[in-house]
Amino acid sequence: DAGVTQSPTHLIKTRGQQVTLRCSPKSGHDTVSWYQQALGQGPQFIFQYYEEEERQRGNFPDRFSGHQFPNYSSELNVNALLLGDSALYLCASSGGDREWNEAFFGQGTRLTVV
Amino acid sequence: ILNVEQSPQSLHVQEGDSTNFTCSFPSSNFYALHWYRWETAKSPEALFVMTLNGDEKKKGRISATLNTKEGYSYLYIKGSQPEDSATYLCAFPFTGGGNKLTFGTGTQLKVEL
Repeated sequence: DAGVTQSPTHLIKTRGQQVTLRCSPKSGHDTVSWYQQALGQGPQFIFQYYEEEERQRGNFPDRFSGHQFPNYSSELNVNALLLGDSALYLCASSGGDREWNEAFFGQGTRLTVV
Repeated sequence: ILNVEQSPQSLHVQEGDSTNFTCSFPSSNFYALHWYRWETAKSPEALFVMTLNGDEKKKGRISATLNTKEGYSYLYIKGSQPEDSATYLCAFPFTGGGNKLTFGTGTQLKVEL
């Protein structure tokens, strides 16, 4: 079982550019959430996808958007990049959306905006 | 906005020491409390998901307790080893979903020989 895989592992972008991050969930999982971890903070929830729809959104602007494909993989898109978007982006999958469903995380994509 | 707080922020202990950390969360609208361990260069990994007041869970030398009425959870490590060095995060699922988590800032544990 490959677990949750994310690509790329590192990325450097320029302010104003757009970026797409990718995530393949753990086998058998249908729910994918994205988190942003800035330095010195815990991961912050961005949004969750289930059945190819955004189900819940955290306190992030519309520049952050996503997509889920029929095979449950997911993309996170960020438009008009700001320096403050530099962070580790984590994808987490789960086998359901109940409070006891633990999240399985990928290793993250480190985004640096210059 | 939910606030999940962890203390201490960091901890240095000697091999063999026992240690514990605290996670505080809103006691109203409790759904569950998750603990994750995050080792450097790896993915966060779930340790425990606790749902009932008074829950006690154990995995090897690590255990956790839960008090939902007063809004706190303790994580204990008995006989710390260097491989226990990691950041320990607690997380509170808001709106009842397990993968919609509000995380604390974590406790960074370093176990020295």
